[in-house]
Amino acid sequence: GESVGLHLPTLSVQEGDNSIINCAYSNSASDYFIWYKQESGKGPQFIIDIRSNMDKRQGQRVTVLLNKTVKHLSLQIAATQPGDSAVYFCAETIYNTDKLIFGTGTRLQVFP
Amino acid sequence: ETGVTQTPRHLVMGMTNKKSLKCEQHLGHNAMYWYKQSAKKPLELMFVYSLEERVENNSVPSRFSPECPNSSHLFLHLHTLQPEDSALYLCASSQVFGGQIEQFFGPGTRLTVL
Repeated sequence: GESVGLHLPTLSVQEGDNSIINCAYSNSASDYFIWYKQESGKGPQFIIDIRSNMDKRQGQRVTVLLNKTVKHLSLQIAATQPGDSAVYFCAETIYNTDKLIFGTGTRLQVFP
Repeated sequence: ETGVTQTPRHLVMGMTNKKSLKCEQHLGHNAMYWYKQSAKKPLELMFVYSLEERVENNSVPSRFSPECPNSSHLFLHLHTLQPEDSALYLCASSQVFGGQIEQFFGPGTRLTVL
């Protein structure tokens, strides 16, 4: 069946280092992927998205990489800051549907 | 108010109570969603309303009853809940049918059932 999962439940990084959060998906029909960030006490917030016709997309300090061959998605955060501490979710969807499938989430902890 | 708002932010209720959660979106979207977020579980989609019609009901128990009176408002009516229903309930909205797929989330209602 469809599933989206995250390899690491918790990731601890030092401030200033780069962070990499990984995600695996199983539905090869998925063609749109989103990364969300959820801070304590808040709802998920959109970070960056990528369509299946791309393998890389860059935002401000964030980069998403998509490897369709192995159905793998990653979020890279450059120069991680304390404000990046949160739970990060990947989500997948299929074109022309309004249903997002979310992974369990990875908690990113940034220490000084 | 901008974005997606939810009230109340926190709710404690007994198993025999009846309460309602409210969601309002100020983004002009045409679809709204209810999700349940429990510890260590993925976000669970509960209901989807697209163009004010319910298009998805993921086998949610009947003690949860959604209502979508217009494209900007969404309610979740609760009655005779169980302790295992304690969770964060998130509302989201999006623009479907050729618009953005991205869903915008509210801050959630933290529900505790005693």
